[in-house]
Amino acid sequence: SQTIHQWPATLVQPVGSPLSLECTVEGTSNPNLYWYRQAAGRGLQLLFYSVGIGQISSEVPQNLSASRPQDRQFILSSKKLLLSDSGFYLCAWSVVRPGKAKNIQYFGAGTRLSVL
Amino acid sequence: AQKVTQAQTEISVVEKEDVTLDCVYETRDTTYYLFWYKQPPSGELVFLIRRNSFDEQNEISGRYSWNFQKSTSSFNFTITASQVVDSAVYFCALSEEQYKAAGNKLTFGGGTRVLVKP
Repeated sequence: SQTIHQWPATLVQPVGSPLSLECTVEGTSNPNLYWYRQAAGRGLQLLFYSVGIGQISSEVPQNLSASRPQDRQFILSSKKLLLSDSGFYLCAWSVVRPGKAKNIQYFGAGTRLSVL
Repeated sequence: AQKVTQAQTEISVVEKEDVTLDCVYETRDTTYYLFWYKQPPSGELVFLIRRNSFDEQNEISGRYSWNFQKSTSSFNFTITASQVVDSAVYFCALSEEQYKAAGNKLTFGGGTRVLVKP
């Protein structure tokens, strides 16, 4: 079965510090991968998605970047965090193959980031 | 452009009451997919159901049921005989894309917080 791992679960960082959040998926190959952010009490905002290694699409221009160095690894980064980067970050994966249910995204447990 | 609206921001019920969550969507595509996700206090989003635009049959899964009405662009979700464990934020979502290369992106509604009191 497929599983998705996100770490760390909680992170407190000072303004101006770098960020690296990691997400890995097991049990599937060539998934689509996604990074979302959820501000406190708000909905989900898609930040980046990737359809393959090295392929990153940005949905919202901002202080963050994403990379996909391996098929099942997705990394969210920042060189200098801002206060507004605080939030709950969720990674998700989906697969589209004949015979498989399309478009369903499965989410990780999330990372709560506080920038102080 | 696609859009999902969940007009109810918060619903509070007493245990064993039924609760219906509204979801209205906008899309120009004839082929699309609708979803419901549950977000318990722990934060992880849990997939509940996917419905494609060609299947208007209502669905029941235990205490959960979904009413898809294309004529009104709605995909409502009912929890029957609610329990405290149903307390969560519920999100409705829409995807117009079927192809991997397009990203299979989801557009989420703003969510409805359900509070079930004992």
